[in-house]
Amino acid sequence: EDQVTQSPEALRLQEGESSSLNCSYTVSGLRGLFWYRQDPGKGPEFLFTLYSAGEEKEKERLKATLTKKESFLHITAPKPEDSATYLCAVPPDSSNTGKLIFGQGTTLQVKP
Amino acid sequence: EAQVTQNPRYLITVTGKKLTVTCSQNMNHEYMSWYRQDPGLGLRQIYYSMNVEVTDKGDVPEGYKVSRKEKRNFPLILESPSPNQTSLYFCASSHTWDTEAFFGQGTRLTVV
Repeated sequence: EDQVTQSPEALRLQEGESSSLNCSYTVSGLRGLFWYRQDPGKGPEFLFTLYSAGEEKEKERLKATLTKKESFLHITAPKPEDSATYLCAVPPDSSNTGKLIFGQGTTLQVKP
Repeated sequence: EAQVTQNPRYLITVTGKKLTVTCSQNMNHEYMSWYRQDPGLGLRQIYYSMNVEVTDKGDVPEGYKVSRKEKRNFPLILESPSPNQTSLYFCASSHTWDTEAFFGQGTRLTVV
């Protein structure tokens, strides 16, 4: 069964304390992995798409990396405004239909 | 401004009373989806559509219907709502299956 698992469920950091969020998946033949950010009561906002193992993408304090079985979202020197829930998602095997499986998310709280 | 618009934002209804949540996008996107988000269960795909008149079931389609008669609109229909359909609903659209998905603001539905 296709699955996406994110860890930890919740993460509390002090401002400036770098850390990483994990997204592991069981889909074989990965066709893409997406990272989104979601603020409370709002729709998810796109961050990155990664297509192949070894690929990395950066945006401000965020860097996403991809291996054959998992992806990491590295947060460097986070600020309170980085507090949000971070979601990853993958399309199931052999799917290019727009079907997506989301992980349950990691809720990040950054304290000043 | 590129956007996905859902209406209504909030809705309280009674069991069995048919309702429709509208979704419209102004980006000429091919792909559209509906999701529900519940605490502890994350985002789950209800239905998705690859193009006009092409729709398919996601992971939790029971109790829902959709239609895609025009490219820009993708309404979600609950023929006979039940309390277990109380949830936060999101519509999303994307140009292709693997590009950035834009999400609407969400519709918070309560069925009593």
